[in-house]
Amino acid sequence: EADIYQTPRYLVIGTGKKITLECSQTMGHDKMYWYQQDPGMELHLIHYSYGVNSTEKGDLSSESTVSRIRTEHFPLTLESARPSHTSQYLCASSDLQRTANEKLFFGSGTQLSVL
Amino acid sequence: GESVGLHLPTLSVQEGDNSIINCAYSNSASDYFIWYKQESGKGPQFIIDIRSNMDKRQGQRVTVLLNKTVKHLSLQIAATQPGDSAVYFCAENMRGYQKVTFGTGTKLQVIP
Repeated sequence: EADIYQTPRYLVIGTGKKITLECSQTMGHDKMYWYQQDPGMELHLIHYSYGVNSTEKGDLSSESTVSRIRTEHFPLTLESARPSHTSQYLCASSDLQRTANEKLFFGSGTQLSVL
Repeated sequence: GESVGLHLPTLSVQEGDNSIINCAYSNSASDYFIWYKQESGKGPQFIIDIRSNMDKRQGQRVTVLLNKTVKHLSLQIAATQPGDSAVYFCAENMRGYQKVTFGTGTKLQVIP
């Protein structure tokens, strides 16, 4: 069982609100990721981080931002939520330094609904 | 929200039968491959992996086959059970490139 946690599990919020999706892992993994996934659809990488103070944009353009101040914590922020942001957001981590292969451990996801 | 990408193909299998889920990967230089299982409302979970120096690897009730010539990966599930119902994603990675590419996924439905 992977030790990676996402909160909240579900979030329903009004348009224009600022939100932060939390992701924490206790495995000491250096690399972390955020994926966006609509129901029954593919996974799209929106952000990733190689370690503290590293943030990179993924393959899918996103209006969200991320930060990596601590190894274990990789929050995702939307400054002004819109209905088009409604989706499932999945956080993941990998022990890239040790294994050199990208075996990802995923959290349970946050299902975001913007009204 | 706005949907991006393809809807997932579905494979329906009778309980007790064997399932074969296929994946075509894109990068001939990829040297590490993983199958993930995603149950409804959950994040993907690791099932089995294989490196490019192998063509077959077996786990508990699962076998992954790798054909590098045609860039094809398959996941075989023996004696499929209702608990195997999920979406299955393959992923490829190239050592040193530090990028994981996920396939489109296949939804497995087990008929009791």
